Amino acid sequence: KQEVTQIPAALSVPEGENLVLNCSFTDSAIYNLQWFRQDPGKGLTSLLLIQSSQREQTSGRLNASLDKSSGRSTLYIAASQPGDSATYLCAVMDLMDTGRRALTFGSGTRLQVQP
Amino acid sequence: EPEVTQTPSHQVTQMGQEVILRCVPISNHLYFYWYRQILGQKVEFLVSFYNNEISEKSEIFDDQFSVERPDGSNFTLKIRSTKLEDSAMYFCASREVEQYFGPGTRLTVT
Repeated sequence: KQEVTQIPAALSVPEGENLVLNCSFTDSAIYNLQWFRQDPGKGLTSLLLIQSSQREQTSGRLNASLDKSSGRSTLYIAASQPGDSATYLCAVMDLMDTGRRALTFGSGTRLQVQP
Repeated sequence: EPEVTQTPSHQVTQMGQEVILRCVPISNHLYFYWYRQILGQKVEFLVSFYNNEISEKSEIFDDQFSVERPDGSNFTLKIRSTKLEDSAMYFCASREVEQYFGPGTRLTVT
């Protein structure tokens, strides 16, 4: 059974700092990996999707990398801003689970960017 | 930009009552999902739906739950005989490749 772990659970940084959020998963046979942002009491906003054949994806100040063989992904946020404060969730879609292709989520990293 | 919508945003119900949570997926998507998130816990998969039938369900999705696509646009989750532990955020999602989530319905069972 796939397990997804995110470290750290919480992070507080001053504005302008570059930061890295980590995600690991136990079964490397994945179809893709998504990073989401969740604001308190709100839904999930998809940030980046990395297919299993890709090594990284970029969107603006966000860069996500994938090392499937080691079961790891990182989300790099450049020049952090107070508006980046949210919980960041990592989720994987298993390769063999062709029936449901559901996502397995990590617990998230709660990010606070101090102005 | 197309988005997944959910209604209601907040539902309060008494224990033992039935609730129906509604979702309108993105129109050209073929796969639909329900997830839930109990306060302070991980987002958990409940059920996936494709080609007008359930393609897979988790161990959480027991006989208390059912899903339906009553017409070409709506996708519903029915919870019968609600329990206190059903209180959670319920998210609908749809996808072609990338999964898009709705804003959620906060269900409070009292």
